[in-house]
Amino acid sequence: DIQMTQSPSSLSASVGDRVTITCRASQSINNYLNWYQQKPGKAPKLLIYAASSLQSGVPSRFSGSGSGTDFTLTISSLQPEDFATYYCQQSYSTPFTFGPGTKVDIK
Amino acid sequence: QVQLQESDPGLVQPSETLSLTCTVSGGSISSYYWSWIRQPAGKGLEWIGRIYTSGSTNYNPSLKSRLTMSVDTSKNQFSLKLSSVTAADTAVYYCARVTAYWFDPWGQGTLVTVSS
Repeated sequence: DIQMTQSPSSLSASVGDRVTITCRASQSINNYLNWYQQKPGKAPKLLIYAASSLQSGVPSRFSGSGSGTDFTLTISSLQPEDFATYYCQQSYSTPFTFGPGTKVDIK
Repeated sequence: QVQLQESDPGLVQPSETLSLTCTVSGGSISSYYWSWIRQPAGKGLEWIGRIYTSGSTNYNPSLKSRLTMSVDTSKNQFSLKLSSVTAADTAVYYCARVTAYWFDPWGQGTLVTVSS
């Protein structure tokens, strides 16, 4: 199985801050990397697919980059509605696997 | 707009079989893969498996011996059966469409508790 790690596991930030979350795969996954946002009691929501493609309807302050084993999700200017947990997920091979999540909360 | 809704089995007895159905509305179930994903309380996401509308499946090896997935295109539904459940199977279970190589959209999730 491909193992996914994320850093940090949690972070505190203020509205307007630039936030960067890192995801690493245990082997090369090309660009088969997706990012999801999950708020308490809700289903995850797709933000970024194929490492850098913005899902329709997702604000442009979200962006993704990377290829191979190292990937980044960036929120350019954190908004109140962005406080949530973020997960990366590889779709290079089954079993599909998720990172452990990064919780973004209010400083 | 495609929407997914999981059934609500609620409480399942240990050693019994957990059965879930996902109903797809607003679009056809055909020509897509469909997945189940679960999340224990306060923990991360675990992919359970996927099924194509032809019936072809891929299961997570960690669950494969206990897992059966099926699809009913006439009802626009797909289902999961997980046998010999234990407390470790207690989780919120989500169904989701596999769009190319990502999960979107997702159902709202249903909490399944394994307890006597």
